[in-house]
Amino acid sequence: SYELTQLPSVSVSPGQTARITCSGDVLGENYADWYQQKPGQAPELVIYEDSERYPGIPERFSGSTSGNTTTLTISRVLTEDEADYYCLSGDEDNTVFGGGTKLTVL
Amino acid sequence: QITLKESGPTLVKPTQTLTLTCTFSGFSLSTSGVGVGWIRQPPGKALEWLALIYWDDDKRYSPSLKSRLTITKDTSKNQVVLTMTNMDPVDTATYYCAHRRRDWGYFDYWGQGTLVTVSS
Repeated sequence: SYELTQLPSVSVSPGQTARITCSGDVLGENYADWYQQKPGQAPELVIYEDSERYPGIPERFSGSTSGNTTTLTISRVLTEDEADYYCLSGDEDNTVFGGGTKLTVL
Repeated sequence: QITLKESGPTLVKPTQTLTLTCTFSGFSLSTSGVGVGWIRQPPGKALEWLALIYWDDDKRYSPSLKSRLTITKDTSKNQVVLTMTNMDPVDTATYYCAHRRRDWGYFDYWGQGTLVTVSS
């Protein structure tokens, strides 16, 4: 089955740029999505099809994919961006989430 | 406005079968391309995709859990039901249902989730 690998944590200061990566062979053949999850809440779609921003998501959020790695970039990070971020990819028979990255805004 | 809400038992005993219902509004599972999926999240851990069902009754399951899962739909009631057999304490998790379109491939609307604890 597919696997997606994410670093457990990323820390940035407010105003800086955060880059959260997700790696896996499945990314070479399938789009990736990114979800933001704040404590006690359901995940919310942030980026779909590698780089498309979901309606209502600030332009500070962007996505890109190169080879087997997809990256969520958050520019000018705000304290409200502190959350867990999960990548998702795969086909309909094997949809897989990454292990999640906790973004801490110091 | 699309909404989804999960319902079911909060506590099940080991070896029992879990039945969860996703009741939704704002879309129909009789519309071409529409689907509903189930995803779970153990406390403090990552999300895990479980199953998908589409408007045409096409069903997909996580390979690792396929033998234990059944997903069905009741279009007239706007509901999707997930059953998971032989529950174990490691199945303790928040279970989410979410809207998905086949041609889009992503989960764009999620329910609030329901916590299921497996304990004797």
